[in-house]
Amino acid sequence: DIQMTQSPSSLSASVGDRVTITCRASQGIRNDLGWYQQKPGKAPKRLIYAASSLQSGVPSRFSGSGSGTEFTLTISSLQPEDFATYYCLQHNSLFTFGPGTKVDIK
Amino acid sequence: QVTLKESGPVLVKPTETLTLTCTVSGFSLSNARMGVSWIRQPPGKALEWLAHIFSNDEKSYSTSLKSRLTISKDTSKSQVVLTMTNMDPVDTATYYCARIIYYDSSGYLSRGIDYWGQGTLVTVSS
Repeated sequence: DIQMTQSPSSLSASVGDRVTITCRASQGIRNDLGWYQQKPGKAPKRLIYAASSLQSGVPSRFSGSGSGTEFTLTISSLQPEDFATYYCLQHNSLFTFGPGTKVDIK
Repeated sequence: QVTLKESGPVLVKPTETLTLTCTVSGFSLSNARMGVSWIRQPPGKALEWLAHIFSNDEKSYSTSLKSRLTISKDTSKSQVVLTMTNMDPVDTATYYCARIIYYDSSGYLSRGIDYWGQGTLVTVSS
C-alpha cells in the first residue's frame, strides 16, 4: 500500500502569511493527488485536484504543485477563514490520506 | 446539484454489524465516470479511506479492513451500502460517503474524490 506523510503536522501563522504544506508518497503516484480543507465538525472540501488544478470556486491564493513523490500546497496570503486542517489524498493506487496539517492562529 | 447523505445507527454494540447507507442525488450510480467511496474519521484523528464502488460494480477495500467490509449499490434507489462486521469501540468515528469522479489528467484518466456527504457519527459502546 502507498503511505502518505505530511509536514508539518501543525503550524501557527498570522493573517497575511505565506504557508506551505508538504505531502510525500512512499512511491511515485504521478500527479494523482488532491488537497482538502476540513473545518471542525464539517466534511472536507476539495481545494486542488491533479496535484495543481484549482477546484472551481476555490480562491486563487491556494495553489498546488509537485509530481511523483513530493507535493506542496501553498496558501499565498493566509486569511481568517483558512484556519483549518489540511489533508492530501493519493488516488494512484486505491486511496490514502495523509495524516493532516493543522493550521492555527499565531 | 450533487448531494450525498449518510444514514444508519448512531450507536452499535461491540461485535455487532454496522450497516450504513449513502443516498445520492444530482448524479447517477450508473454513470461510468463516477463512483462512491466510504471514508471514516475517529474523533480528533485523521481521515481513513475504507472502500469504493463504481458503476461496473468494480469494488475495492482498505487492505487493513478488507475482511470486515462489504460495499454494494442499488442503482435504482441511488444508494450505496457499506457493512462492517465485528464492530469494536475503536471503530467509533464519523463515517462519510463521497463521490469519485474520473477526470483527464495529462493524457490519462485519473479519478479523485470531489463531493462529500455531511457525515454520520457512529459510536460503538455496550
